[in-house]
Amino acid sequence: AQSVTQLGSHVSVSEGALVLLRCNYSSSVPPYLFWYVQYPNQGLQLLLKYTSAATLVKGINGFEAEFKKSETSFHLTKPSAHMSDAAEYFCAVGSGNTGKLIFGQGTTLQVKP
Amino acid sequence: DSGVTQTPKHLITATGQRVTLRCSPRSGDLSVYWYQQSLDQGLQFLIQYYNGEERAKGNILERFSAQQFPDLHSELNLSSLELGDSALYFCASSVASGRGGTDTQYFGPGTRLTVL
Repeated sequence: AQSVTQLGSHVSVSEGALVLLRCNYSSSVPPYLFWYVQYPNQGLQLLLKYTSAATLVKGINGFEAEFKKSETSFHLTKPSAHMSDAAEYFCAVGSGNTGKLIFGQGTTLQVKP
Repeated sequence: DSGVTQTPKHLITATGQRVTLRCSPRSGDLSVYWYQQSLDQGLQFLIQYYNGEERAKGNILERFSAQQFPDLHSELNLSSLELGDSALYFCASSVASGRGGTDTQYFGPGTRLTVL
């Protein structure tokens, strides 16, 4: 069965600092992996998606994630945090023969001025 | 704006009642997915419809049911509501069946259900 674990339910960084949000997955088949962001009182917005074409995936708003099979990880990074990045971030894995997404528990990113 | 619309935005009702949540997918998308987001369970997949047919079922209670109509909009029906059903219900849509999780899912703004 596929699963996703996000390490750290809350991450706090200073504005301009590196953002690193951790995601580890479990999958018996090559996974499709996603990062979504949820701003307060809004739906989920796709940040980026891994489809095996390239291990380093670039997304919107300066975010990128690197797929590491040996570590079963798909961590999300951004070189310099902006106040507008404060939100909840979800890692997800596509499941089997359907379109079902399995989400991690989410990480709330706080950006301090 | 993802192009997925959900109505209503907020719903307040009492225990034992029945409600219907509505979702219109992005133009051209054939799949509709329903997810429940709650503080204790996180984001949980409920059910997927593809071109009018049920495609996958997740942690959906028997008191809940869904359908997708010929115009591809979908409704999620929640009955005999309990306090624990209070949550944010999201609809998402994708172009195809999403086999293997390949399709990008676009999420609506959600319906916040409060059961008193």
